[in-house]
Order: sequence, then C-alpha cells, then structure tokens
Amino acid sequence: AQKVTQTQTSISVMEKTTVTMDCVYETQDSSYFLFWYKQTASGEIVFLIRQDSYKKENATVGHYSLNFQKPKSSIGLIITATQIEDSAVYFCAMDDTNAYKVIFGKGTHLHVLP
Amino acid sequence: EAAVTQSPRSKVAVTGGKVTLSCHQTNNHDYMYWYRQDTGHGLRLIHYSYVADSTEKGDIPDGYKASRPSQENFSLILELASLSQTAVYFCASSGGQSQNTLYFGAGTRLSVL
Repeated sequence: AQKVTQTQTSISVMEKTTVTMDCVYETQDSSYFLFWYKQTASGEIVFLIRQDSYKKENATVGHYSLNFQKPKSSIGLIITATQIEDSAVYFCAMDDTNAYKVIFGKGTHLHVLP
Repeated sequence: EAAVTQSPRSKVAVTGGKVTLSCHQTNNHDYMYWYRQDTGHGLRLIHYSYVADSTEKGDIPDGYKASRPSQENFSLILELASLSQTAVYFCASSGGQSQNTLYFGAGTRLSVL
C-alpha cells in the first residue's frame, strides 16, 4: 500500500530565511505524481506545486521549489525568502494511480517569525 | 477558477442522527473525494468517485456512505452519527489521471453531541 510520511510536526523559522520541509513516500508504481498543498489559518487548502516522477528536473513555482530524490523516495518542499504569510500547514500528497485516489501525509506546521 | 462548494459550512448533530454533507463542483471534473481532517491525522480519505452513480471506499469508510448522483454532486452520509465523527470534512475534485491536482471546498465543521 502507498504511504506518505511527514516527520516534522512543526517548524519555526525567521522571516526571509529558507526552510525545507521533508516528505518520504512508499509506492510500488513506476510512474506517480507528488504534490504539496498549503492549508492557511482560515482552513482553506490550496495546491502549491507538483512533481511528476518521470521528470528529473525539480519543479519550481515562485518561491517554492522541490528537492526530488527518487532513489530515496523523498520529495522535500523548499521555501526561499519566507514571508509571514507563509505560516500555514503544509501537506505532502501522492497520487495512487492504480486506485485513482490521492493520499496525504499528516502535515507540517510552519511558523514564520518576524 | 475552479469551484467546489460545500454545504453546510458547519453543523451540530445529535448522536444517532442522520447527517448529510453536500458538495457541488463546477469544474467539469470526473473525480470527487471526501476527506476527514482531525488534529494529528492530516487528511484521511473516506470515499471517492470517478464517475457518476459509482463510489469507491477510501481508507476510512466505516460509518460513512457516499452518493454521486451526477458529475457535479457528491454527498457524504452519516446514517448514525457518533461522537467520534466530530471533525472537519473536506470535499475535493480533480480531473483525474495526469490532471490530478485537487481543488478543495472550504470544509464543513461537524460537531456530534
């Protein structure tokens, strides 16, 4: 069975610094998709960035980028020049292509301090 | 802009009562999902559907039923609500397969007393 694990429950960083959030996954599939979502304080959940397993290049969107290490089954989210509004819960997710479902990790709560 | 609308936004139910949570999407997506969020557990999949009139069990389906009467609508039904079902419920839709980015509704906060 597929599994997504986020071991960091909470992280605190100073504003304008860089933070990395970890995520490891388990899958038997040769092709899969990995995602990061952000849940704001209001509860809203929005898509941030995605990595297709067959792509060697790390995905980048704005000040979000991914560190995809396929041999280690790892997909880290990197946020550069953090801002106060980046404070949120970040979820790692994987698409289970065989079962047509998306499974999530437990989330990492990021606190960006002024 | 993708649109997934959940109703109600919050609800208080009594133990043993029936609860129906509704979800409507205007994204023309085939896939719809119901997730439950509890502190410390992240988002856990209850039921999902990839075609109208058909639903699939997710990872925690016990105590829940789902209904997908049309492509746009997906309901989650608690026939006999229990205290342990107090949580925030999120509906989401996606295009599926390689278009599988999820678009979430705003969530429904359910309190069972």
